[in-house]
Parts: sequence; structure tokens; C-alpha cells
Amino acid sequence: DVKVTQSSRYLVKRTGEKVFLECVQDMDHENMFWYRQDPGLGLRLIYFSYDVKMKEKGDIPEGYSVSREKKERFSLILESASTNQTSMYLCASSSGTDRFGYTFGSGTRLTVV
Amino acid sequence: KNEVEQSPQNLTAQEGEFITINCSYSVGISALHWLQQHPGGGIVSLFMLSSGKKKHGRLIATINIQEKHSSLHITASHPRDSAVYICAAGGSQGNLIFGKGTKLSVKP
Repeated sequence: DVKVTQSSRYLVKRTGEKVFLECVQDMDHENMFWYRQDPGLGLRLIYFSYDVKMKEKGDIPEGYSVSREKKERFSLILESASTNQTSMYLCASSSGTDRFGYTFGSGTRLTVV
Repeated sequence: KNEVEQSPQNLTAQEGEFITINCSYSVGISALHWLQQHPGGGIVSLFMLSSGKKKHGRLIATINIQEKHSSLHITASHPRDSAVYICAAGGSQGNLIFGKGTKLSVKP
């Protein structure tokens, strides 16, 4: 069974902390994505990556960075967490050949206090 | 105006009813996705459509490319179908542009 695994289901961090959200996929997918989901706003794209060491900004990249050192792993970094980054974070991956078949992780609910 | 619009936002049905959720989009797409999200957050991909119609069990998805419109139908609805259903347009860069979702509640 193919999987996208996010390292934490729930996370509570303090304002100003550096936060790492990890995502690992076992499908050898080229494309990986980070989204955040907020009530009334739906899902919004933060960053995505088409290949190792490549990254592209999405719609709301401010306050975030990403790292993709290995094909299977895509990390989202909150450089200095703020309360407005309290949200549900979802990772997804897709294949370059089946480019629009997506698999989502189960999400990380991050609370910044 | 949002690039992907869904209706209705909320839907309550009785078990056994036929359900339709609509999605209109204003962007060019390579594919249209229907996703399901249960309480707790995980999202499951139901369909990926570029034309015509697809069926999986009691779920049917259709798309009209000329009218930029897609529908998700659920036949013989069941309480376990209660979830948020999300329409998403597959953009040219491989990312998805999401609708706001339709919250479906099926009562026994």
C-alpha cells in the first residue's frame, strides 16, 4: 500500500521556535507538495518540489522554507513560528508519469502558542 | 472570484438519497480531482478526470470540459459517506487549486 507519511500528527510549539515538519513517501514520486488548510480558506499551496534539491514557491511561502535532499523526503521548515501559522499541514506527492494522481499524508495539526 | 467554486457548501441528506455536488472552475486544467476528507484530516483521492465520466462503487464523477463543470454523485448514500468532499483543478505545474469543500452529512 503506497504511503505518504508525516512525522507528527499533532504538534505544539512556542512562538519563535524553529519547527520542522517531515514528509516521506515510498512511491518514488518526483513531485512533492506542502499545503496548509484553514477553516474558510481551504487548502493553499506553500511550496512544491519537482526533483531533489529543487523547490518552487506556492501561493503562501512567506515564513516557510523547504528542503528536499532526498527524493523520498520533503521537509517544511517554519523559521520562527508565529501564532498565525497554527494550522493543519498536509503533504502530498504525485508521479511525473501519472502526474495528477495524488497521494496525501494524514496531516499534522500544528498549534503555535 | 475563486478559481474553483463548489456548491453547496453544506449538505444534509437522509440515508439512501442520491447526492450531487457541483464544481465549476475558471482556470485551464489538465485534470479535475475529487477528494474526500474525513474528520481528523486525512485526504483520499477519489477520482482524477480529464474527460467524460468515471465510476467507483456508489460514486460517479462527470466532467464537461466545454462548460468547465464537474459533478460528483453518490448513489444510495450511507452515513459513512459523511465527509468533506473537495474539488481540485490540476494546474499546469502539477499543483492543485482547491475548492472550499462541501461538507456532507448523511443521517440514518
